[in-house]
Formats: sequence, structure tokens, C-alpha cells
Amino acid sequence: TQLLEQSPQFLSIQEGENLTVYCNSSSVFSSLQWYRQEPGEGPVLLVTVVTGGEVKKLKRLTFQFGDARKDSSLHITAAQPGDTGLYLCAGDPGTGNQFYFGTGTSLTVIP
Amino acid sequence: DSGVTQTPKHLITATGQRVTLRCSPRSGDLSVYWYQQSLDQGLQFLIQYYNGEERAKGNILERFSAQQFPDLHSELNLSSLELGDSALYFCASSARTGTYYGYTFGSGTRLTVV
Repeated sequence: TQLLEQSPQFLSIQEGENLTVYCNSSSVFSSLQWYRQEPGEGPVLLVTVVTGGEVKKLKRLTFQFGDARKDSSLHITAAQPGDTGLYLCAGDPGTGNQFYFGTGTSLTVIP
Repeated sequence: DSGVTQTPKHLITATGQRVTLRCSPRSGDLSVYWYQQSLDQGLQFLIQYYNGEERAKGNILERFSAQQFPDLHSELNLSSLELGDSALYFCASSARTGTYYGYTFGSGTRLTVV
């Protein structure tokens, strides 16, 4: 059973377009993180959010944690080919010891 | 280079065999986590060690075992291998235990069981 469902599963867009990726769960998370993974490499941490309603910006990327700490979104403005990769959300349901990873969103940005 | 080193990068072995995957965490990190990534299951948590002690266990099969040595490197042992064990195995490290600090992942070991 997947605790975290991501949508869409696949996304192919043109350079310059905006996009939003969603991460949803019925569970409450004490913290949630977003990672990006490129082929042949391990995931790379992008951001950590811990407070319900929190919004964090990282250049063209905006991350939001839901008020109830059950969901999150990642918005990319003016996507670039370098944004291509697998985006993973990961949540800690309160164990303090491990993350449960989402199903992943594979993003392709076409030049 | 993330600072987390995994060896080997690729491994091909036959069913029934045993293999050992090695991980050296980032300098100063005390926690090591092992994850399995397959196409149908995504990233699945296997086990965590903190400063040599087992701290948490996930969906790790009884055929799999791990340990963390005094120099903090970790090994994941997979035995009686089956075709379904073919996957990417990632090691991650963090400075402390606790998920707030985030993980630094290695580049993974791609295991193919034939």
C-alpha cells in the first residue's frame, strides 16, 4: 500500500511552460520532502517542509505543504530542459526514522 | 559527487547466489539507510543504522541483512537471490537520526539476477 500518491505519473511539456505536481495521502506527516532523481543517479534533496500551510521557494520551484499536513505540491515556473527528471515526494508519518516515498512523477521538458 | 559512495555500481549474478553491497556514508554522517527501487514498487525503505546500531526496519526480507561497522561504512547482504530481487539498491546517509535533516543518496547499485 502506497502512503503517498503522486500525480500526474508522467508529464511532458514544452520549455517555458508552467506545471504543478501533486503529492497526496490520507495520512498526516510530521515532515515532507521533495527529491529529484536523474537516470542512473540517486535522488537529490530539493526541500523539506514541516509546518502545515508552509510555502517555500527555490528559484523557479515553489513547494507548498497542505494545511492538514496530508498533501503537498510542487510548482515549476518557466520549465527548462534541465528540470527533466523523476520528482519524488517523501513523508515521515511520525516514526522519526524513515521516509515513505511517493510513486514519483516523471517530467520531460522539451526544448 | 554526493559524498556517499556505493560499490559496485553494477552487479549481475545468478539465482540462488549471495552478494554484498557496500556503502560509505558522507563524512561525518552517522545514519545510514538502505532503499530498494524497482519499477513497480518505487523506493522502498529496507533498514536504517545509526552509529553502528540498527534503528528501524522496513520491508526487508529475511534473506537480506545489513550491518554498520565501526568506521561507519555499511554492507547490505542479499542471499538466495531470486529474479524479483533485481532492482536498484540505494544507500543514503544523514548527519543524525530523524527525518527532518534529509538524506544524501549514493548513486546506487544496479543488481540484475539472471
